[in-house]
Amino acid sequence: ELKVEQNPLFLSMQEGKNYTIYCNYSTTSDRLYWYRQDPGKSLESLFVLLSNGAVKQEGRLMASLDTKARLSTLHITAAVHDLSATYFCAVDVSFGNEKLTFGTGTRLTIIP
Amino acid sequence: SAVISQKPSRDICQRGTSLTIQCQVDSQVTMMFWYRQQPGQSLTLIATANQGSEATYESGFVIDKFPISRPNLTFSTLTVSNMSPEDSSIYLCSVNGQLGTEAFFGQGTRLTVV
Repeated sequence: ELKVEQNPLFLSMQEGKNYTIYCNYSTTSDRLYWYRQDPGKSLESLFVLLSNGAVKQEGRLMASLDTKARLSTLHITAAVHDLSATYFCAVDVSFGNEKLTFGTGTRLTIIP
Repeated sequence: SAVISQKPSRDICQRGTSLTIQCQVDSQVTMMFWYRQQPGQSLTLIATANQGSEATYESGFVIDKFPISRPNLTFSTLTVSNMSPEDSSIYLCSVNGQLGTEAFFGQGTRLTVV
């Protein structure tokens, strides 16, 4: 059974600091997704990583994928308050059909 | 990108009743997926809905409890049957993008069973 684990589950950090969220998964996949969810809202797509070594950046967020280690990271640079949300990684093991197994989620709170 | 419309956005239902959730997509898609997000939890896949065939259910989910229809390539429904308070969750539909490299989500249906 595929397991997708995120670390940490909860993260409280001060504005201006850097931090990394980790996503480990237990089976082979070369497709990994990162989503953001605000309270009471649906999922907003952040990144889609499609190959080993893929790195994508958008603003203060950067995601990377190491398929050999079965690890993805979401790095936050110089955090600002509006990044407060829950972040999910998700793995596609259905060969591109976007049938996703989600990680446990990381609830991020940025403190002014 | 695909635009997905879900109805209703929220509902409060009595136990023992059923609720049907609709998902409409602005383009034709092969697969549609239904997920459940229990309070404070992550998302769990309920089933995959293909047009013209029976839905495929994940472990722990059965057709009698969550019947799904997929009458065409732009529409699907999920029914939550004989509801109990444990069914209180957000239900989301999802589709894959035309390029097969992205998954899009509807805005979700927040269900509360009392």
